[in-house]
Amino acid sequence: SQQGEEDPQALSIQEGENATMNCSYKTSINNLQWYRQNSGRGLVHLILIRSNEREKHSGRLRVTLDTSKKSSSLLITASRAADTASYFCATDAKGSARQLTFGSGTQLTVLP
Amino acid sequence: SAVISQKPSRDICQRGTSLTIQCQVDSQVTMMFWYRQQPGQSLTLIATANQGSEATYESGFVIDKFPISRPNLTFSTLTVSNMSPEDSSIYLCSAATGDVAGNTIYFGEGSWLTVV
Repeated sequence: SQQGEEDPQALSIQEGENATMNCSYKTSINNLQWYRQNSGRGLVHLILIRSNEREKHSGRLRVTLDTSKKSSSLLITASRAADTASYFCATDAKGSARQLTFGSGTQLTVLP
Repeated sequence: SAVISQKPSRDICQRGTSLTIQCQVDSQVTMMFWYRQQPGQSLTLIATANQGSEATYESGFVIDKFPISRPNLTFSTLTVSNMSPEDSSIYLCSAATGDVAGNTIYFGEGSWLTVV
């Protein structure tokens, strides 16, 4: 069952602006991963943050994790039209055998 | 990292037929999974593919409808049986190396099935 919720469901910004997407989950986790999916394609892994980490950077991506609030955020800085895609968070629950539970996703549109 | 190849990438299938999707990983992995993504939706786990034994299915998914094989560490198949239009989805294979926290889980490009 889906345990993650993401907001906003859809986000439209101008090229060059920053985009922030949020994810909430319900159970204790080992780690949280963010993925990007272009329309009709597979998932591309963006970044993994462990439960004992609070912030992680990768290029223009910044991910935060607040385990006390069971929430995470993904920030994309200086967005580009090529960033247009759906973004999903996925949690790997403690005690699971690595199955992922996905959030509902945020559809990001970056306007040129 | 692991590269995951799926075949077919797309197919249009007749109602009542069955289709087998193949998933090949370029390195040995410990865990393999099958997910379904219905149009406009998020991903839902179908089952964990276990090497040499029966897959472990999630609630709402059964072996008769989605038989899965995993004969070795790098290959798995998912069959969608007796298809109906409601089975039109993207089916994604994923793999993980190890079962310890902190390991990335990789996905294939997906197999987009349309049932007519």
